[in-house]
Amino acid sequence: DAKTTQPNSMESNEEEPVHLPCNHSTISGTDYIHWYRQLPSQGPEYVIHGLTSNVNNRMASLAIAEDRKSSTLILHRATLRDAAVYYCILRDTRAGGFKTIFGAGTRLFVKA
Amino acid sequence: KAGVTQTPRYLIKTRGQQVTLSCSPISGHRSVSWYQQTPGQGLQFLFEYFSETQRNKGNFPGRFSGRQFSNSRSEMNVSTLELGDSALYLCASSGSGLGGSYNSPLHFGNGTRLTVT
Repeated sequence: DAKTTQPNSMESNEEEPVHLPCNHSTISGTDYIHWYRQLPSQGPEYVIHGLTSNVNNRMASLAIAEDRKSSTLILHRATLRDAAVYYCILRDTRAGGFKTIFGAGTRLFVKA
Repeated sequence: KAGVTQTPRYLIKTRGQQVTLSCSPISGHRSVSWYQQTPGQGLQFLFEYFSETQRNKGNFPGRFSGRQFSNSRSEMNVSTLELGDSALYLCASSGSGLGGSYNSPLHFGNGTRLTVT
């Protein structure tokens, strides 16, 4: 099963952009890259996902390397509410079963 | 649209007992997966159900089991509880495209916190 590697923690100032990296060197052609975040005492929340092209939504942007072995979640203007643990995972698009593997994630600290 | 609902929110059990946790997915979602979250091991995949069939299982002992009903609601059961089973148990549902593809996002509930004493 393909795995992801993320830094344990990162720090950002409020209102500044944040770039959260993720390495997934063993990604297969059918794996989608998903990002989730988890606030204290809550379940993980979906942020964004993509396959090959960069993606944007109201929460964030996802930049995917050309070889797909890494990706970066971009929060354009960090707020205190963005302080959370961010998980990058791979989900196989093939039907028939999967195992979604979560790494340790990146704990984002946002300073006022 | 209502989100994923997990009940109960908190549970305290004694070693050796068994427990059943419930998960109601988002309406229309046919895939339900379960995860265990502990401070030491992080988020670990337990199993996934689609249309009442278990499609995959993580590396957990047979004491952990689950099922899914025709309305997509799911339950997980842990028998002969051990202290190490104390954890936050999370359920997630996702919509599946034709053939059950997995490019749909996971939608998590807020979990059931199980404490085994």
